[in-house]
Amino acid sequence: DQQVKQNSPSLSVQEGRISILNCDYTNSMFDYFLWYKKYPAEGPTFLISISSIKDKNEDGRFTVFLNKSAKHLSLHIVPSQPGDSAVYFCAATPYSGAGSYQLTFGKGTKLSVIP
Amino acid sequence: NAGVTQTPKFQVLKTGQSMTLQCAQDMNHNSMYWYRQDPGMGLRLIYYSASEGTTDKGEVPNGYNVSRLNKREFSLRLESAAPSQTSVYFCASSIRTANTEAFFGQGTRLTVV
Repeated sequence: DQQVKQNSPSLSVQEGRISILNCDYTNSMFDYFLWYKKYPAEGPTFLISISSIKDKNEDGRFTVFLNKSAKHLSLHIVPSQPGDSAVYFCAATPYSGAGSYQLTFGKGTKLSVIP
Repeated sequence: NAGVTQTPKFQVLKTGQSMTLQCAQDMNHNSMYWYRQDPGMGLRLIYYSASEGTTDKGEVPNGYNVSRLNKREFSLRLESAAPSQTSVYFCASSIRTANTEAFFGQGTRLTVV
């Protein structure tokens, strides 16, 4: 039973355009969400997070949107650059209490930004 | 600025052999974690240590043991390796367990034949 779903295994975007990566979750206890970026042969690196008290969080070219009623979040990258080509993982956790130690990850979306 | 350091980076084991994966962090973080990543899967938590002196099971603990040696170091041991343990293993650390980002090491690619 996959609690965090990234339904698009891959995405190709032209350089300079917007990349939109999507993530859905099923566990209503999740209220803190993170995006990680992973290059081949490296560990994941933290990109951006959002708690359920917000519906948007922005950091430079990266914006995460959260729709709690739909249990859906998305990562927008504008403008996309070739260096953004990587696998992006969505992760979720309860903000506190049982299970808050554990990040539950989606399977990842491989983003390719074409020059 | 080392962050989280894992050794070794690559390892090939025969079925039934044992080995220990080492992890150290220099960020003075309280919490440390071991994850595994399999093809087409997200990362799954094996064990974690909320603070020095404590360890707890994660989602997939069977076949593994851990030791939180001190605040900096958290090791993962495979007592009798099985082909199903072929995976990429990531160690991570965070300032605390809840609602915070974790910082990951570069990973150990383990093959059990």
